[in-house]
Amino acid sequence: GDSVTQMEGPVTLSEEAFLTINCTYTATGYPSLFWYVQYPGEGLQLLLKATKADDKGSNKGFEATYRKETTSFHLEKGSVQVSDSAVYFCALSDDNYGGSQGNLIFGKGTKLSVKP
Amino acid sequence: DAGVIQSPRHEVTEMGQEVTLRCKPISGHDYLFWYRQTMMRGLELLIYFNNNVPIDDSGMPEDRFSAKMPNASFSTLKIQPSEPRDSAVYFCASTRGRELSYNEQFFGPGTRLTVL
Repeated sequence: GDSVTQMEGPVTLSEEAFLTINCTYTATGYPSLFWYVQYPGEGLQLLLKATKADDKGSNKGFEATYRKETTSFHLEKGSVQVSDSAVYFCALSDDNYGGSQGNLIFGKGTKLSVKP
Repeated sequence: DAGVIQSPRHEVTEMGQEVTLRCKPISGHDYLFWYRQTMMRGLELLIYFNNNVPIDDSGMPEDRFSAKMPNASFSTLKIQPSEPRDSAVYFCASTRGRELSYNEQFFGPGTRLTVL
């Protein structure tokens, strides 16, 4: 079945460092891809998404490009801040043809800690 | 605009007791999801509803778990009897629209359940 694999954490960076969190997926159809972020004590919230190959999702300085050839959707940010400390989840939608399913399949999450 | 509301935020109970978790989705959303988050298994979809009707409950771990959605603004997840291995954070999420693959799921803050 469809699955998402993301890099193990935790990841600890200094403020203003460059961030990459790797995410690869396995899917039989044409999924949409998402990054969700979970701040401490809160639920998940959508960070960015991409719905087709070569799309780039971006938000709050974070970016990820849907690479069908490498089945990847790596999350990047050029300069992280302490406020970016959170758990980041890569996810895909398990579309059936016709788009009436779309359940999200999540990776295990990567905890990011940014030190001042 | 109120987000997804879950209650209680924390629940501590003893093994064998009945536990009921509650969720109020965002008004106008016609899909509702229940997830469970644990360190070992990550984030798992338990069940989801469309227009108050359960569509896929294949993620419900066993018969001790049941979920209902009596109307568009309320859902419950019940565990009876509860066991220590049910300890987890339970999230409710909602979204609107048939093409779920393109639509953001909005998560509640979660209920942290501890079964002693």
